[in-house]
This record gives sequence, structure tokens and C-alpha cells, in this order.
Amino acid sequence: DQQVKQNSPSLSVQEGRISILNCDYTNSMFDYFLWYKKYPAEGPTFLISISSIKDKNEDGRFTVFLNKSAKHLSLHIVPSQPGDSAVYFCAASAITEGGSEKLVFGKGTKLTVNP
Amino acid sequence: DVKVTQSSRYLVKRTGEKVFLECVQDMDHENMFWYRQDPGLGLRLIYFSYDVKMKEKGDIPEGYSVSREKKERFSLILESASTNQTSMYLCASSFIPGLAGGGIYNEQFFGPGTRLTVL
Repeated sequence: DQQVKQNSPSLSVQEGRISILNCDYTNSMFDYFLWYKKYPAEGPTFLISISSIKDKNEDGRFTVFLNKSAKHLSLHIVPSQPGDSAVYFCAASAITEGGSEKLVFGKGTKLTVNP
Repeated sequence: DVKVTQSSRYLVKRTGEKVFLECVQDMDHENMFWYRQDPGLGLRLIYFSYDVKMKEKGDIPEGYSVSREKKERFSLILESASTNQTSMYLCASSFIPGLAGGGIYNEQFFGPGTRLTVL
């Protein structure tokens, strides 16, 4: 059962426009969310995060919005640049049965920004 | 800067071989993780460790084992490699939330990955 869902496998936008990547989750116990960016042949790198006590977090061109009632979050990139072309993973922080913390990842969305 | 290194970027093994993937982090993190990434399936957690000699199964532990003898090093072992274990393997580390050096929640820092092909 997939607890973190990224329903769009790919997204293509023009340089300078807004990119919106979406993520839905099913577990209401999730209370911290992260976005990672991954280039081919590299490990994922942390991009931005948000706690469930907030509904928005901004860092430069990147903004994450959280709608707890809808169990939905989105990542906005404005303006989009060709270097933003990568796979973006949404992740939620979860507590395991043993009391440890782990991340549950979505399947990723491949963003292509066209010049 | 946090650095997570993995012993090999590319590895080719034969079916039935025993395979060791090594991961080292230099930030004194308590937690270490092994994932595999496959097209269309995202990142799936194989095993993780929250302390030396401690381990916990992730979502897909079958066919794998792990070893953590030192805090900075976490090894993933494929006892008898099979073709369905061909994948990108990613190691990550993080602090335990709330402990000294960490925040309430902690991001995971990833290594560059090992592309394993089993023939």
C-alpha cells in the first residue's frame, strides 16, 4: 500500500514558467515532509521541507505548500530553469514499529525544463 | 559538508555471487540507511541501522542482510545475487531527531549510489 503518492511520472515546462509538482499521502500520522531532487547517476539531495504545523515554507525559488485536510503537498518552482531538470521525490517522515524514524518516499516525478 | 561515500559507482556480478556494498559517512550520524531505486518504483528502503550492531528491516529486506560494526560504516550484503537485484543502491545517513547535533526532524544525506548489474 503506497502511503506517499506522486501521480505524475513526468512534467514538462518552459524555462521561466512555474513548475508545480504534486504529492498526496494517506497516513494522517505523517507530520514532516521533505522534497529531494535527483540527477541521473547521483544520489538525491535535500531541497526543502515542511512541518505539519505550517502550511507554507519558502526558500528562494522553491516553495512547498501543505494542505493537511486534503493530505496534499505541492512544490512550486518559480521561475523554472533548465538546471532544475531532475527527478523530484516527495518524502514523509514516519515512525517505525521499533520507534525509529524513517522516510517514506513517493515514486518521483521527472521534471524537464525546456529552454 | 556531510559526506556519504559508497565503495563503488558501478559493479557487475554474476548470479549466485556474494556481494558487499560499503557505505561510509563522516558526520557521526547515528542513523544509516540502504535503499534501492528502480524505474517507476522510486526509493524503497531495504534496511536501516540506528546504532552500531543494531538494525531494523525496511520494506524490502528479502535477499539482503546488513552489518554495522562501526558507527561510520554500514554494509549491505547480497548473500547470493540474483538478476532481480540489478538496481541502483543508495546509502543515506542522518542524526537521530532531538539528539545533540540534530534538529527535531532530520534530513537524510545520500551517497552517490552504486549501480549494480547482476548477470
